[in-house]
Amino acid sequence: KAGVTQTPRYLIKTRGQQVTLSCSPISGHRSVSWYQQTPGQGLQFLFEYFSETQRNKGNFPGRFSGRQFSNSRSEMNVSTLELGDSALYLCASSFGIGGAPDTQYFGPGTRLTVL
Amino acid sequence: GNSVTQMEGPVTLSEEAFLTINCTYTATGYPSLFWYVQYPGEGLQLLLKATKADDKGSNKGFEATYRKETTSFHLEKGSVQVSDSAVYFCALSWQEYGNKLVFGAGTILRVKS
Repeated sequence: KAGVTQTPRYLIKTRGQQVTLSCSPISGHRSVSWYQQTPGQGLQFLFEYFSETQRNKGNFPGRFSGRQFSNSRSEMNVSTLELGDSALYLCASSFGIGGAPDTQYFGPGTRLTVL
Repeated sequence: GNSVTQMEGPVTLSEEAFLTINCTYTATGYPSLFWYVQYPGEGLQLLLKATKADDKGSNKGFEATYRKETTSFHLEKGSVQVSDSAVYFCALSWQEYGNKLVFGAGTILRVKS
């Protein structure tokens, strides 16, 4: 079964621009979460989507947004890019149902560089 | 708040040495605990998990036991290989926050032949 895929793998943007990253979850998974990984802050949770609704949100400014489509694919958008947004953005998918926390499977990430 | 503390690295070992990477957590309630591994240039792979006290997770020779009394989830392997060189992350999640994972800072492991 295919794993989590993320596109593009690498992106270079300049300050002030906006960017959209895409994530396709494992077939059958309805939950998609996004994380930012930087050397200084480590891995930080951005948000989680389940059945097209944002279910949970981390402590990031409103410039970071996301959405999920009916096929569970998800996109995240960062507007008005800043140098500090340079990071590896990881997407994770899981079934997302049931009461207990779910095992999440990660994609390879999108490396964003802001110049 | 909820947090995870890992031993600082890098940890450098010779092949076939015993590995321990310490992980302790602070959390309300009963979190689930995970170890993830990240190889260079890749995303995270789930290594093992435990969902309740005294559970032992194991995979590929790695083991970790959920110790509620010491709030710890230390990762161990009896004999490391060069191919185990990677960054290891301890993480927790808890039911009240759905699938949100809180990660430790990560520990770099280098295994020399």
